[in-house]
Amino acid sequence: DAGVTQSPTHLIKTRGQQVTLRCSPKSGHDTVSWYQQALGQGPQFIFQYYEEEERQRGNFPDRFSGHQFPNYSSELNVNALLLGDSALYLCASSLSNTGELFFGEGSRLTVL
Amino acid sequence: DAKTTQPTSMDCAEGRAANLPCNHSTISGNEYVYWYRQIHSQGPQYIIHGLKNNETNEMASLIITEDRKSSTLILPHATLRDTAVYYCIVRVVGGSEKLVFGKGMKLTVNP
Repeated sequence: DAGVTQSPTHLIKTRGQQVTLRCSPKSGHDTVSWYQQALGQGPQFIFQYYEEEERQRGNFPDRFSGHQFPNYSSELNVNALLLGDSALYLCASSLSNTGELFFGEGSRLTVL
Repeated sequence: DAKTTQPTSMDCAEGRAANLPCNHSTISGNEYVYWYRQIHSQGPQYIIHGLKNNETNEMASLIITEDRKSSTLILPHATLRDTAVYYCIVRVVGGSEKLVFGKGMKLTVNP
Protein backbone atom coordinates (compact mmCIF):
# COMPACT_ATOMS: atom_id res chain seq x y z
CA ASP A 1 0.00 0.00 0.00
CA ALA A 2 1.66 3.17 -1.20
CA GLY A 3 1.76 6.02 1.23
CA VAL A 4 1.56 9.68 0.32
CA THR A 5 3.62 10.43 -2.76
CA GLN A 6 4.79 13.85 -3.88
CA SER A 7 6.46 15.12 -7.01
CA PRO A 8 8.86 16.51 -7.85
CA THR A 9 11.19 15.87 -4.93
CA HIS A 10 13.42 18.82 -5.70
CA LEU A 11 13.13 21.77 -8.03
CA ILE A 12 14.75 25.12 -8.65
CA LYS A 13 12.89 28.17 -9.93
CA THR A 14 13.67 31.84 -10.35
CA ARG A 15 11.81 34.79 -8.89
CA GLY A 16 8.56 35.58 -10.67
CA GLN A 17 8.08 32.09 -12.04
CA GLN A 18 5.22 29.76 -11.24
CA VAL A 19 5.40 26.26 -9.79
CA THR A 20 3.03 23.30 -9.51
CA LEU A 21 3.57 20.58 -6.93
CA ARG A 22 1.65 17.31 -6.96
CA CYS A 23 0.43 14.93 -4.30
CA SER A 24 -1.21 11.52 -4.34
CA PRO A 25 -2.83 10.64 -1.03
CA LYS A 26 -2.59 7.37 0.81
CA SER A 27 -5.04 4.80 -0.52
CA GLY A 28 -8.48 5.29 0.99
CA HIS A 29 -7.84 8.86 2.13
CA ASP A 30 -10.08 11.64 0.89
CA THR A 31 -8.58 14.76 2.50
CA VAL A 32 -5.37 16.47 1.49
CA SER A 33 -3.56 19.22 3.37
CA TRP A 34 -0.54 21.23 2.32
CA TYR A 35 2.14 22.61 4.61
CA GLN A 36 5.17 24.83 4.07
CA GLN A 37 8.28 24.22 6.14
CA ALA A 38 11.05 26.79 6.13
CA LEU A 39 14.48 25.75 7.29
CA GLY A 40 14.63 25.27 11.04
CA GLN A 41 10.90 25.83 11.53
CA GLY A 42 7.91 23.59 12.03
CA PRO A 43 5.51 23.03 9.15
CA GLN A 44 2.97 25.82 8.57
CA PHE A 45 -0.53 25.02 7.32
CA ILE A 46 -1.36 26.35 3.87
CA PHE A 47 -4.78 24.84 3.10
CA GLN A 48 -6.85 21.69 3.14
CA TYR A 49 -8.97 20.10 0.43
CA TYR A 50 -11.93 17.81 0.83
CA GLU A 51 -14.45 16.80 -1.83
CA GLU A 52 -12.58 18.97 -4.33
CA GLU A 53 -13.21 22.10 -2.28
CA GLU A 54 -10.86 24.19 -0.18
CA ARG A 55 -12.14 23.58 3.33
CA GLN A 56 -9.72 25.59 5.41
CA ARG A 57 -6.92 28.02 4.67
CA GLY A 58 -3.97 29.25 6.64
CA ASN A 59 -2.35 32.68 6.54
CA PHE A 60 -0.94 32.50 3.04
CA PRO A 61 -1.47 34.98 0.17
CA ASP A 62 -3.60 34.32 -2.87
CA ARG A 63 -0.44 33.47 -4.83
CA PHE A 64 -0.86 30.08 -3.21
CA SER A 65 -3.69 28.11 -4.74
CA GLY A 66 -4.65 24.50 -4.98
CA HIS A 67 -6.88 21.94 -6.50
CA GLN A 68 -8.18 18.50 -5.65
CA PHE A 69 -9.19 16.06 -8.34
CA PRO A 70 -11.98 13.43 -8.27
CA ASN A 71 -9.40 10.74 -7.49
CA TYR A 72 -8.43 12.79 -4.37
CA SER A 73 -4.99 13.73 -5.68
CA SER A 74 -4.06 17.36 -5.29
CA GLU A 75 -1.91 20.13 -6.68
CA LEU A 76 -0.38 23.16 -5.04
CA ASN A 77 0.32 26.14 -7.29
CA VAL A 78 2.44 29.11 -6.35
CA ASN A 79 2.54 32.14 -8.65
CA ALA A 80 5.01 35.02 -8.81
CA LEU A 81 7.59 33.18 -6.76
CA LEU A 82 9.58 35.09 -4.15
CA LEU A 83 12.88 34.16 -2.58
CA GLY A 84 10.99 33.60 0.69
CA ASP A 85 8.96 30.83 -0.92
CA SER A 86 12.00 28.60 -0.77
CA ALA A 87 10.96 25.77 1.54
CA LEU A 88 9.99 22.15 1.88
CA TYR A 89 6.37 21.72 0.81
CA LEU A 90 4.64 18.85 2.53
CA CYS A 91 1.45 17.12 1.56
CA ALA A 92 -0.53 15.19 4.16
CA SER A 93 -3.55 12.99 3.65
CA SER A 94 -6.19 11.73 6.03
CA LEU A 95 -9.59 10.15 6.12
CA SER A 96 -12.09 12.86 6.85
CA ASN A 97 -13.07 13.12 10.50
CA THR A 98 -10.17 11.04 11.75
CA GLY A 99 -7.04 12.40 13.33
CA GLU A 100 -4.07 10.75 11.79
CA LEU A 101 -2.35 12.68 9.06
CA PHE A 102 0.11 10.84 6.89
CA PHE A 103 2.80 13.00 5.34
CA GLY A 104 4.73 12.61 2.15
CA GLU A 105 8.48 13.19 1.92
CA GLY A 106 7.95 16.67 0.54
CA SER A 107 8.99 18.75 -2.44
CA ARG A 108 11.96 20.98 -1.79
CA LEU A 109 11.61 24.23 -3.69
CA THR A 110 14.52 26.61 -4.13
CA VAL A 111 13.82 30.05 -5.55
CA LEU A 112 16.83 31.92 -6.91
CA ASP B 1 0.41 30.06 17.38
CA ALA B 2 1.17 26.63 18.76
CA LYS B 3 -0.72 25.82 21.96
CA THR B 4 2.07 23.66 23.34
CA THR B 5 5.50 24.30 24.78
CA GLN B 6 8.41 21.88 24.63
CA PRO B 7 12.09 22.06 25.56
CA THR B 8 14.29 23.02 22.64
CA SER B 9 16.40 19.90 22.84
CA MET B 10 17.17 16.78 24.82
CA ASP B 11 19.81 14.06 24.80
CA CYS B 12 19.30 10.42 25.60
CA ALA B 13 21.59 7.40 25.75
CA GLU B 14 20.92 4.57 23.36
CA GLY B 15 18.92 1.79 24.98
CA ARG B 16 17.56 4.01 27.72
CA ALA B 17 14.03 5.35 27.96
CA ALA B 18 13.49 8.80 26.48
CA ASN B 19 10.87 10.90 28.27
CA LEU B 20 9.76 13.87 26.20
CA PRO B 21 7.68 16.46 28.08
CA CYS B 22 5.05 18.80 26.70
CA ASN B 23 2.96 21.52 28.33
CA HIS B 24 -0.50 22.35 27.00
CA SER B 25 -2.07 24.31 29.84
CA THR B 26 -4.81 25.87 27.67
CA ILE B 27 -6.03 22.62 26.16
CA SER B 28 -9.78 22.41 25.61
CA GLY B 29 -11.97 19.50 26.58
CA ASN B 30 -12.39 18.31 23.00
CA GLU B 31 -8.73 18.59 22.03
CA TYR B 32 -6.51 15.59 21.71
CA VAL B 33 -2.75 15.51 22.27
CA TYR B 34 -0.84 14.36 19.20
CA TRP B 35 2.81 13.53 18.78
CA TYR B 36 4.66 13.54 15.48
CA ARG B 37 8.33 13.29 14.74
CA GLN B 38 10.42 14.39 11.79
CA ILE B 39 13.64 12.71 10.93
CA HIS B 40 16.00 14.94 9.00
CA SER B 41 14.80 15.72 5.47
CA GLN B 42 11.73 13.51 5.75
CA GLY B 43 8.05 14.26 6.23
CA PRO B 44 6.60 14.20 9.76
CA GLN B 45 5.60 10.78 11.03
CA TYR B 46 2.60 10.15 13.27
CA ILE B 47 3.54 8.55 16.59
CA ILE B 48 0.56 8.48 18.92
CA HIS B 49 -2.38 10.50 20.20
CA GLY B 50 -4.67 10.53 23.22
CA LEU B 51 -7.45 12.41 24.95
CA LYS B 52 -7.13 11.74 28.66
CA ASN B 53 -6.19 8.12 29.17
CA ASN B 54 -2.67 6.82 28.80
CA GLU B 55 -2.02 5.29 25.41
CA THR B 56 0.53 2.80 24.14
CA ASN B 57 1.37 1.49 20.71
CA GLU B 58 4.30 -0.23 19.08
CA MET B 59 6.27 3.00 18.89
CA ALA B 60 5.71 4.76 22.18
CA SER B 61 3.60 5.44 25.24
CA LEU B 62 1.74 8.66 25.98
CA ILE B 63 1.11 9.70 29.56
CA ILE B 64 -1.37 12.57 30.03
CA THR B 65 -1.75 14.17 33.44
CA GLU B 66 -5.13 14.04 35.12
CA ASP B 67 -5.70 17.77 34.60
CA ARG B 68 -4.60 17.32 30.95
CA LYS B 69 -2.29 20.33 31.14
CA SER B 70 0.80 18.34 30.31
CA SER B 71 1.89 15.06 28.82
CA THR B 72 4.98 12.91 28.35
CA LEU B 73 5.92 10.84 25.34
CA ILE B 74 7.97 7.81 26.32
CA LEU B 75 10.22 5.94 23.93
CA PRO B 76 10.98 2.88 26.06
CA HIS B 77 14.29 1.84 24.48
CA ALA B 78 15.69 4.68 22.40
CA THR B 79 17.77 3.83 19.35
CA LEU B 80 19.96 6.01 17.16
CA ARG B 81 17.15 6.03 14.59
CA ASP B 82 14.92 7.84 17.10
CA THR B 83 17.06 10.96 16.69
CA ALA B 84 14.56 13.47 15.29
CA VAL B 85 12.53 16.59 15.98
CA TYR B 86 9.47 15.69 18.03
CA TYR B 87 6.32 17.79 17.83
CA CYS B 88 3.60 17.85 20.46
CA ILE B 89 0.33 19.19 19.04
CA VAL B 90 -3.19 19.65 20.36
CA ARG B 91 -6.01 19.19 17.90
CA VAL B 92 -9.75 18.72 17.71
CA VAL B 93 -10.67 15.43 16.08
CA GLY B 94 -13.67 15.17 13.83
CA GLY B 95 -13.47 18.51 12.12
CA SER B 96 -11.23 20.16 9.63
CA GLU B 97 -8.92 21.45 12.32
CA LYS B 98 -5.41 21.85 11.00
CA LEU B 99 -2.26 20.73 12.78
CA VAL B 100 -0.45 23.71 14.30
CA PHE B 101 3.21 22.86 14.61
CA GLY B 102 5.58 24.66 16.93
CA LYS B 103 9.33 24.38 16.58
CA GLY B 104 9.32 21.01 18.29
CA MET B 105 12.06 19.44 20.37
CA LYS B 106 15.24 17.94 18.97
CA LEU B 107 15.95 14.57 20.56
CA THR B 108 19.47 13.28 20.05
CA VAL B 109 20.12 9.66 20.94
CA ASN B 110 23.79 9.11 21.69
CA PRO B 111 25.62 5.78 21.38
